[in-house]
Amino acid sequence: KAGVTQTPRYLIKTRGQQVTLSCSPISGHRSVSWYQQTPGQGLQFLFEYFSETQRNKGNFPGRFSGRQFSNSRSEMNVSTLELGDSALYLCASSRGQGFGGETQYFGPGTRLLVL
Amino acid sequence: DQQVKQNSPSLSVQEGRISILNCDYTNSMFDYFLWYKKYPAEGPTFLISISSIKDKNEDGRFTVFLNKSAKHLSLHIVPSQPGDSAVYFCAASGGAQKLVFGQGTRLTINP
Repeated sequence: KAGVTQTPRYLIKTRGQQVTLSCSPISGHRSVSWYQQTPGQGLQFLFEYFSETQRNKGNFPGRFSGRQFSNSRSEMNVSTLELGDSALYLCASSRGQGFGGETQYFGPGTRLLVL
Repeated sequence: DQQVKQNSPSLSVQEGRISILNCDYTNSMFDYFLWYKKYPAEGPTFLISISSIKDKNEDGRFTVFLNKSAKHLSLHIVPSQPGDSAVYFCAASGGAQKLVFGQGTRLTINP
């Protein structure tokens, strides 16, 4: 079974631009979560989507948004990029039953560098 | 508010010996705990999990122990191998609570 895939793997943007990252979950998984990893900050939760609806949201500004399509694929968008947005963005998928006890499986991440 | 804490940013262990990674949590609603392993420039890989109804779960060289009264869990790797060198994250969830990660511990296995 194919794992979680993320595109692109690497991205360089300049301040003020916007960026869209894509994630394809494991087949049969309906929940997709996004995380930001920066040095010394661990994995910070951005948001979770299930059945095309945002189910959970972390403490990030409104410049960070996402969506999920009917085939469970998800995109996240960051507008008006700032230098501090440089990070590894990770996508994780799970079956999405909506209760604790689910294992999330991660993609390889998209490394974003903002200049 | 750091609900999941890994107080040791790094750990160095001799090959063949036991590696013990620790994790503390504050939210008593957490009922499912996981450990992930991460290599540079890759996504975290799921290692092992434990639900709050258990106090131990074993999978090959990896064992996770849960002490609910102390709100503490640990990951034991024995024997440690060079390929185990990576960053290890513990994570916790409960009810509709999203997965909350610790800061990670960098494990180095020395030959």
